[in-house]
Amino acid sequence: QVQLVESGGGVVQPGRSLRLSCAASGFPFSSYGMHWVRQAPGKGLEWVAVIWYDGSNEYYADSVKGRFTISRDNSKNTLYLQMNSLRAEDTAVYYCVRDCSRVDCRDGVLEYWGQGTLVTVSS
Amino acid sequence: DIQMTQSPSSLSASVGDRVTITCRANQGIRNDLGWYQQKPGKAPKRLIYGAENLQGGVPSRFSGSGSGTEFTLTISSLQPEDFATYYCLQHNSYPWTFGQGTNVEMK
Repeated sequence: QVQLVESGGGVVQPGRSLRLSCAASGFPFSSYGMHWVRQAPGKGLEWVAVIWYDGSNEYYADSVKGRFTISRDNSKNTLYLQMNSLRAEDTAVYYCVRDCSRVDCRDGVLEYWGQGTLVTVSS
Repeated sequence: DIQMTQSPSSLSASVGDRVTITCRANQGIRNDLGWYQQKPGKAPKRLIYGAENLQGGVPSRFSGSGSGTEFTLTISSLQPEDFATYYCLQHNSYPWTFGQGTNVEMK
């Protein structure tokens, strides 16, 4: 079965960096685009970034553009989110989410979600 | 960027009630819309994809409709396990955007 397991969250000071990881299993990772979605405490969902199945394209929310970088290692079935210049408003649970496959999107997008990892930006 | 306006932001309902939640896009998004249910402390769960397709394993009391700029999620007969927060998501163009959420509370 599809499993997405995030790690790397924690408490970090404003202005510092943190890297999140998402270990994927149960599906051909290299055939699927992957996303990060976040949720600040008590707030709604916010789409953060996407990377295509082969890493050839990336898109970001305006709120993180220039500070966050999404990447992947298909040989390790792992997705990453490098977060630099962190701000208090980046405090959130970060979810790793699977897109549809590169050959078939009939079953829609963002079906499978990880359990999330909490990032707290505080001095 | 495409803005998604979801309404209402909250509602109170009783078991057995029919519930309707609406999302409006500020430009056409064809049927590139999904609906998600989230319970406290849990990851969101997809209910509907492609605006009207029921996710496997989701009860048939949930349904979605709409195309273009206006979309609706309907729960035909609210059950105790349906009290949760619901979000729409447009995936027509980047950046993808969620609605603000609708909290369905027990009356």
